[in-house]
Amino acid sequence: GEDVEQSLFLSVREGDSSVINCTYTDSSSTYLYWYKQEPGAGLQLLTYIFSNMDMKQDQRLTVLLNKKDKHLSLRIADTQTGDSAIYFCAEGAGNNRKLIWGLGTSLAVNP
Amino acid sequence: GAVVSQHPSWVICKSGTSVKIECRSLDFQATTMFWYRQFPKQSLMLMATSNEGSKATYEQGVEKDKFLINHASLTLSTLTVTSAHPEDSSFYICSAKDSGEKLFFGSGTQLSVL
Repeated sequence: GEDVEQSLFLSVREGDSSVINCTYTDSSSTYLYWYKQEPGAGLQLLTYIFSNMDMKQDQRLTVLLNKKDKHLSLRIADTQTGDSAIYFCAEGAGNNRKLIWGLGTSLAVNP
Repeated sequence: GAVVSQHPSWVICKSGTSVKIECRSLDFQATTMFWYRQFPKQSLMLMATSNEGSKATYEQGVEKDKFLINHASLTLSTLTVTSAHPEDSSFYICSAKDSGEKLFFGSGTQLSVL
């Protein structure tokens, strides 16, 4: 069945780059998403990538997609303490764009 | 960007009572809305897909008689937790899909059932 996996924890120093990885199984996924959830808050769409793209850059965020390996990554440059949150990877499946979610990666940024 | 308003942000209720959660798309029409549940330190679990003007489609294991979903207009979907019990305590989040491929999320509702 459809599945999305990502590592549960990542710890980085302030100013370093963070790379959060995700693998998915549905090769028919059209869109892949990264969401951010801050403590006590709802989800915030960070960025998304269409499956025919290899890379998408948006300010400090870089998304890389390896469709052959079904691997998605999110790189945050110059990570700040305000980036501490849980980052969810999700793939869009089905005609209604039902999202299949990973368990989320908890990013801790140390001063 | 598009805004989805979810209300209330938190609610405490007595066991056996019903609670209604509203999800509104403020600046776009949402033909499809989704309801999720999130337990602490777990991922989002899709509960149901709500299409305007038709019955909601529930995911396996979700009781449709307990979690009533109404999507009567293009900008409003409601989730009613009927006869709530402590095990229903959770974080509920809605999302709405615009005409494109983006999903926009509400800020969530923390439900505590005493």
